[in-house]
Amino acid sequence: DAMVIQNPRYQVTQFGKPVTLSCSQTLNHNVMYWYQQKSSQAPKLLFHYYDKDFNNEADTPDNFQSRRPNTSFCFLDIRSPGLGDAAMYLCATSSNRGFGQPQHFGDGTRLSIL
Amino acid sequence: AQKVTQAQTEISVVEKEDVTLDCVYETRDTTYYLFWYKQPPSGELVFLIRRNSFDEQNEISGRYSWNFQKSTSSFNFTITASQVVDSAVYFCALLGGNTPLVFGKGTRLSVIA
Repeated sequence: DAMVIQNPRYQVTQFGKPVTLSCSQTLNHNVMYWYQQKSSQAPKLLFHYYDKDFNNEADTPDNFQSRRPNTSFCFLDIRSPGLGDAAMYLCATSSNRGFGQPQHFGDGTRLSIL
Repeated sequence: AQKVTQAQTEISVVEKEDVTLDCVYETRDTTYYLFWYKQPPSGELVFLIRRNSFDEQNEISGRYSWNFQKSTSSFNFTITASQVVDSAVYFCALLGGNTPLVFGKGTRLSVIA
């Protein structure tokens, strides 16, 4: 049974047109993360929520925003996608921050920009 | 600063061969955790193992085994009798005290039938 679910699996948007990616979890984990992964690169952390506490990485562009309306759901909003934002976006959860808790990843959403 | 180095960018082996994926890490934390993740072509990252810095015992799980050596700051991963389904990108990652998970650049393993 899928525990971290990302929708859609593939997303195509136009240059500059806002897009939202969604993530839901059935694990009841406190922490949810969003990563960006470009081709042949390691995942790069954009931000994470610890419960309702939002933590942005210093080098995450302002173009990227996130919302977590409740424990189960988290959204990634890209306000004005550029060609350089084409990537795989991975959502992950963990039961706690630190303490070595493994992160559990969804299948990812592959975003293409036309 | 936390750093993970996976020196092998790509490895190709023939099915049934054993293969070892190398991982070297850097950290100043005394308590830290090491992970291996598998990313098959479909894209999801699959958690394989976690090791904490106080547990240097090697671990075996089926055809997979992990060798953790603090003296050399290494956490290597061996697949015995490789299979085509093992073809994937494998990431080693490090979690320190109060820092995000740091990934290595990954090793792409191709197992040829």
